[in-house]
Amino acid sequence: DAGVTQSPTHLIKTRGQHVTLRCSPISGHKSVSWYQQVLGQGPQFIFQYYEKEERGRGNFPDRFSARQFPNYSSELNVNALLLGDSALYLCASSLVGGAGEQFFGPGTRLTVL
Amino acid sequence: AQSVAQPEDQVNVAEGNPLTVKCTYSVSGNPYLFWYVQYPNRGLQFLLKYITGDNLVKGSYGFEAEFNKSQTSFHLKKPSALVSDSALYFCAVRAAAQTYSSASKIIFGSGTRLSIRP
Repeated sequence: DAGVTQSPTHLIKTRGQHVTLRCSPISGHKSVSWYQQVLGQGPQFIFQYYEKEERGRGNFPDRFSARQFPNYSSELNVNALLLGDSALYLCASSLVGGAGEQFFGPGTRLTVL
Repeated sequence: AQSVAQPEDQVNVAEGNPLTVKCTYSVSGNPYLFWYVQYPNRGLQFLLKYITGDNLVKGSYGFEAEFNKSQTSFHLKKPSALVSDSALYFCAVRAAAQTYSSASKIIFGSGTRLSIRP
């Protein structure tokens, strides 16, 4: 079975631009979460979506938004990019119920110049 | 509030020796605890989890972790290290009381870089 997939792999943007990152969960997983991992740090929770609804939000500004589609794939949008948004953006999917361990995709490396 | 502490930025071990990567946590109520490993330019790979029951949890690649409720710790261990174990390891916690009507937010530690020398 395919794991979590993310696109694109790498992305270079300039300050003030907008970016859209995409994620497809493991088949059968209905919950998708997004994390930001800055170099040298652990992943920071941004959003969780389940059944197309936002179920949780981390401490990120309103420039960050996301949505989940009927096929459970998800998009993360970031507006008005800042240099500090440069990071590895990780998507994770999980089953509903149980401990909720999450399975991560390879990430999208975003560089803001 | 939930939090995870990994007190060692780096752990160095000779191949064949036992290894321990330390983790302590803080959470309201009972915890769900996880260990993940990250190789360069890769996403995180799930190693093992503790939900309830036996305090010693066995996971992938020969790793195990010991849950200690009184010390709020969940240290990762392996009896005999391999050079291929060299990677970045993350401990994570989630409050068991969270339901899927709310966020199953997982909080990660800052990571410990494990270096195994031949």
